[in-house]
Order: sequence, then structure tokens, then C-alpha cells
Amino acid sequence: GAVVSQHPSRVICKSGTSVKIECRSLDFQATTMFWYRQFPKQSLMLMATSNEGSKATYEQGVEKDKFLINHASLTLSTLTVTSAHPEDSSFYICSAREGGQVYIQYFGAGTRLSVL
Amino acid sequence: GQSLEQPSEVTAVEGAIVQINCTYQTSGFYGLSWYQQHDGGAPTFLSYNGLDGLEETGRFSSFLSRSDSYGYLLLQELQMKDSASYFCAVGAYSGGYQKVTFGTGTKLQVIP
Repeated sequence: GAVVSQHPSRVICKSGTSVKIECRSLDFQATTMFWYRQFPKQSLMLMATSNEGSKATYEQGVEKDKFLINHASLTLSTLTVTSAHPEDSSFYICSAREGGQVYIQYFGAGTRLSVL
Repeated sequence: GQSLEQPSEVTAVEGAIVQINCTYQTSGFYGLSWYQQHDGGAPTFLSYNGLDGLEETGRFSSFLSRSDSYGYLLLQELQMKDSASYFCAVGAYSGGYQKVTFGTGTKLQVIP
């Protein structure tokens, strides 16, 4: 089956620093990747949709200058949390969709971000 | 906008059958998906319904009624490892592109 690799799995950083999270589709080309944020015991909140070679589409209320998304190739998307603050601490999950199977999303293992 | 409703928690006995319902409100609907997520893990795809009716995949089945804006996930022969959160997700066309919205999740606890 399709595999999505997300790295790092856990990161602890100081307030004010930036953190980059990578999301790679290992055995398929991901025309679209998604970035979600999940709070404990809550649902997945879509942050942005990333299409290869174009600007990401951000959901309402998500600061595009805070959460920078780059989808430079069909197998890699990155999310950079700029000037992270404690309120940015959360579980971030990426997913990828293969062109021919638009109704299935393959998820990475997630990144738990803790900002001190 | 889109909204989904599913029960927050369900408890069932090992070996039994459990049904998790999902109702939704959206425009531009194209399909309903189900995902499983164990604590601390990533969601994994279980099933998809684009048309009315029942889809069966092993112990798991999913049903959709577009006219009722309703679907359910049926888990048979429950096993302890099925204890997890289950999310329904609505796919809809919005602003010219496809958007998937996840429900709040149903935490299933399987007891001996």
C-alpha cells in the first residue's frame, strides 16, 4: 500500500524558533498533500491543501505567514512553523492523495511539536 | 459550510457487532470515507462510499444513503485491537476543488 513518511516524529523547541516538518510519499506521486492539526482527543483540523508547484490553499483562520507550506515536488511537502510559541504545540499530521484515487488519503505518522 | 455528527463514544463487547453512525450536512457532496486512528497514531483509511449502498471489506462494512445524508461503519466480530477512534469524513466540491472534512470522531472501546 501507499506509504507516507513524516519527519520528525517529535520535536521540542524553544519559543521563537522555527520548525520544519517534512512529508514524503515513498512509493507514489502525490498530486495533493494536506496538513492537519490535531488537539488531544479531538478531530483533524485541516490547515492547508498543498498542490505540487503551486501555492498552498489555507483554511480560514490559519496564518499563512505563520505556517509556511512548500510542495516543491510530487513526493515532498514541507510545513514550517515560524517563530513557534507554546500555543503552537500540537500534533501535526500530513496526508497525501494519489492522482488516481482522489477519495483516499494516506497519512504520515504525525509530528508532535512541543514549544517551551 | 459542512457539518458532521457522530457519537463521541461507543463501548462494545469482544466478538460483538457495533455500528457507528455519521450524519452530515454539506453541498457538493461526492463521498463519505471512514478512517481509524489508534491513540498516538496516524489515521488509516478503512472504507469509502461514493454511491448509495453497502461496501464490505472483511470485518468492516460501510453504508451510505445520499438522500438521508447518512452513513455508518459496521464492525463485526470485534477484537480488542479494534479499540480506537473512528472518523467519518465527507468529501465535497468547494470553490472548484475537492475538500475533505473530518468528523469529531467516535472512540470505540472493546471490552472482554
